[in-house]
Amino acid sequence: ELKVEQNPLFLSMQEGKNYTIYCNYSTTSDRLYWYRQDPGKSLESLFVLLSNGAVKQEGRLMASLDTKARLSTLHITAAVHDLSATYFCAVDLAGGTSYGKLTFGQGTILTVHP
Amino acid sequence: KAGVTQTPRYLIKTRGQQVTLSCSPISGHRSVSWYQQTPGQGLQFLFEYFSETQRNKGNFPGRFSGRQFSNSRSEMNVSTLELGDSALYLCASSQRTSGNYEQYFGPGTRLTVT
Repeated sequence: ELKVEQNPLFLSMQEGKNYTIYCNYSTTSDRLYWYRQDPGKSLESLFVLLSNGAVKQEGRLMASLDTKARLSTLHITAAVHDLSATYFCAVDLAGGTSYGKLTFGQGTILTVHP
Repeated sequence: KAGVTQTPRYLIKTRGQQVTLSCSPISGHRSVSWYQQTPGQGLQFLFEYFSETQRNKGNFPGRFSGRQFSNSRSEMNVSTLELGDSALYLCASSQRTSGNYEQYFGPGTRLTVT
């Protein structure tokens, strides 16, 4: 059974600092997604990573995928308060008996302080 | 293009009652997946429908059921509601063709069981 683990689960950052969220998964896959969720809201897609070595950047966030290590990272550069949210990674085995199923990590609650 | 819509957005029910939630996918998307989000269990996959067929089901009791119509709209039903069914229910649609597996989430239905 696919397991997806994120760490840390809680991250308190100062504005202007850098940090990385890690997402490890247990079964080979080359489809990994990062989502953001604000309190009481739905999931907003941040990045779609579809191959080994994929790197995507948007503003202060950069995501990468290493399928051999079964690891994805979400790097935050010079954090600002607006980045405060919960971040989820999710793995899609894309076929077989896993039709339409995303397996999510536990989520990382990010709080950015002035 | 309109996004995924879910109705109702909020619902309060009593234990023992049943409830039906509705999801309209993005136009052209044939796959609809449903997820339950709770503080304790996180995001868990319920089931996926594609072209009116359930192709995948998560580890939920038979009280949870769903269906999909010919226009790809989907409903999920929970019978004999329990307090533990209080959650945010999210649906997501995707094309799931030509290698495009990204899931787009709706705003969710917040169900409270009293």
